[in-house]
Amino acid sequence: GAGVSQSPSNKVTEKGKDVELRCDPISGHTALYWYRQSLGQGLEFLIYFQGNSAPDKSGLPSDRFSAERTGGSVSTLTIQRTQQEDSAVYLCASSLVGPPYEQYFGPGTRLTVT
Amino acid sequence: SQKIEQNSEALNIQEGKTATLTCNYTNYSPAYLQWYRQDPGRGPVFLLLIRENEKEKRKERLKVTFDTTLKQSLFHITASQPADSATYLCALPNYGGSQGNLIFGKGTKLSVKP
Repeated sequence: GAGVSQSPSNKVTEKGKDVELRCDPISGHTALYWYRQSLGQGLEFLIYFQGNSAPDKSGLPSDRFSAERTGGSVSTLTIQRTQQEDSAVYLCASSLVGPPYEQYFGPGTRLTVT
Repeated sequence: SQKIEQNSEALNIQEGKTATLTCNYTNYSPAYLQWYRQDPGRGPVFLLLIRENEKEKRKERLKVTFDTTLKQSLFHITASQPADSATYLCALPNYGGSQGNLIFGKGTKLSVKP
């Protein structure tokens, strides 16, 4: 079946602009995760949606970052007033409910802020 | 909070040899541990899961061990091939966060030379 898809694959934006990144999880996966990966760095957790529960936003680096998940499926990560340090690959993953929460990742969106 | 250390940033081996990657964690022992593979420009791909009551798990040329006394997991690739060259990540449940949330190590970049 279809895997996790993300769009766009690449995004170049000017400093100060807002950007929206989209994630389509695997059908039936109720858990959805956003991560950020900077060059040579590990995966940095951003936010986690689990079913109808309140999302875990503990990883969001600032209030410029927000995410929503509509209808328990598609998710959008929004970065307002982008800064150069926001440049990174943004990865989305989804999983089934219950441990061990094996995660399936999308290809990522490479964001470059100029 | 839980911390993960993947000792080697990079590991270079000759084709046909066994590659051994290390993942150490601090604090509490997790109920399970996961290993992922990440190729350049792609999202991580789940490889293997090992539970705390399992000493060893195998899948084709891959073997994972889990030593809760040493707080360590070893990931072995036997009869390594150049196609095994990638970055390998270990991941543990983040009990300090929401259920289902994983924390990832920074990864070990494996290069298998022909």
